[in-house]
Amino acid sequence: KQEVTQIPAALSVPEGENLVLNCSFTDSAIYNLQWFRQDPGKGLTSLLLIQSSQREQTSGRLNASLDKSSGRSTLYIAASQPGDSATYLCAVRGLGETSGSRLTFGEGTQLTVNP
Amino acid sequence: NAGVTQTPKFQVLKTGQSMTLQCAQDMNHNSMYWYRQDPGMGLRLIYYSASEGTTDKGEVPNGYNVSRLNKREFSLRLESAAPSQTSVYFCASSITAGNTGELFFGEGSRLTVL
Repeated sequence: KQEVTQIPAALSVPEGENLVLNCSFTDSAIYNLQWFRQDPGKGLTSLLLIQSSQREQTSGRLNASLDKSSGRSTLYIAASQPGDSATYLCAVRGLGETSGSRLTFGEGTQLTVNP
Repeated sequence: NAGVTQTPKFQVLKTGQSMTLQCAQDMNHNSMYWYRQDPGMGLRLIYYSASEGTTDKGEVPNGYNVSRLNKREFSLRLESAAPSQTSVYFCASSITAGNTGELFFGEGSRLTVL
């Protein structure tokens, strides 16, 4: 069974710092990995989707990388801002999910960017 | 463009009462999902509908039923609510259920069962 772990559970940084959030998964046979952002009391917003054949994806100040062989993904946030404060979750879709419907989620990293 | 819309946003029930959570998407997506989010448990799939006319169980289906009313709408019903169903419920959709499907979420429905 796929397990997804995000460490640390919480992270506090000063504004302007570059930071990396980590996501690890136990089964490297995946279709893709998706990073989400969740603000308090809100739903999940998709940030980046990396297909298994890709090494990284970029969107603005965000860059996500994928290393399937080691079962790891990182989300790099450049020049962090207080508005980046949120919980960041990663989710993987496994090759074994023949219906293609199921994602396995990590529990997230709660990021606080201090002004 | 509203995306995925859920109603109600908040609900308090007594044990044994029934209720239906509604979800609608306006992105012409084929696949829709219901998740629950609990502290320490993360997000878990309750039911999904790969396409209009089909529904399948997810990881935690017990105590729930679903209806894919049409391509836009996917409802989740609690027939006899239990305190263990206190949770935040999220509806999501994707273009297909296939392996490239990026998920889009609603803002959640917060349910408390007393």
